[in-house]
Amino acid sequence: EIVLTQSPATVSLSPGDRVTLSCRASESHSYFLAWYQQKPGQAPRLLISDASNRAAGVPARFSGSGSGTDVTLTISSLEPEDFAVYYCQHRNNWPPGFTFGPGTRVDI
Amino acid sequence: QLHLQESGPGLLKPSETLSLTCTVSGGSINDNNYYWAWFRQPPGKVLEWIGIIFYTGTTYYSPSLESRVTLSVDSSKNQFSLRLTSVTAADTAKYFCARDASRGGTDYWGPGTLVTVSS
Repeated sequence: EIVLTQSPATVSLSPGDRVTLSCRASESHSYFLAWYQQKPGQAPRLLISDASNRAAGVPARFSGSGSGTDVTLTISSLEPEDFAVYYCQHRNNWPPGFTFGPGTRVDI
Repeated sequence: QLHLQESGPGLLKPSETLSLTCTVSGGSINDNNYYWAWFRQPPGKVLEWIGIIFYTGTTYYSPSLESRVTLSVDSSKNQFSLRLTSVTAADTAKYFCARDASRGGTDYWGPGTLVTVSS
């Protein structure tokens, strides 16, 4: 089973800042890596699939990159509604299965 | 627009069986492009995968829960369900149903339902 680690655990920023969040896998994950945003009391929201494909309706300020064991999520200019917890997720191709990272909290 | 909604009891006693249903609207569960999944999140903790089911009834479970979990699908009602036996306080969590688009991510989620296990 792939283990995901995320860094930093918490980051405190201001609207307009640029932030890059990291996710490292214990072994190469071959594409099936996604990023989610979760706000208190809400379900996760898919932001990025396949490491770099922005999901429908996700603003262009969110971008994903990376391959192999290291991927990143970048928010180019933080908006007030972007303060949330961000999770990376690996989906095993076969048999299907999922692993989540511990999350990064983006605070004001 | 696809919509998923979890339903089921919110309070259980230890050793009871948790049963939740996810109703899918705005799309068919009989779509061979997608799996249907259950996740959970204990208060203040990380998301955990429980299991996944295809409309044919094929299932895959988290190894850590496999001995206690059963997923099923009712295509006539556009629903899929979760059954977790012998619950303990450690099973207290918000339970989410979701659609799995494989390489396309888990793209639709229900709002979640809180299940508390307490004597």
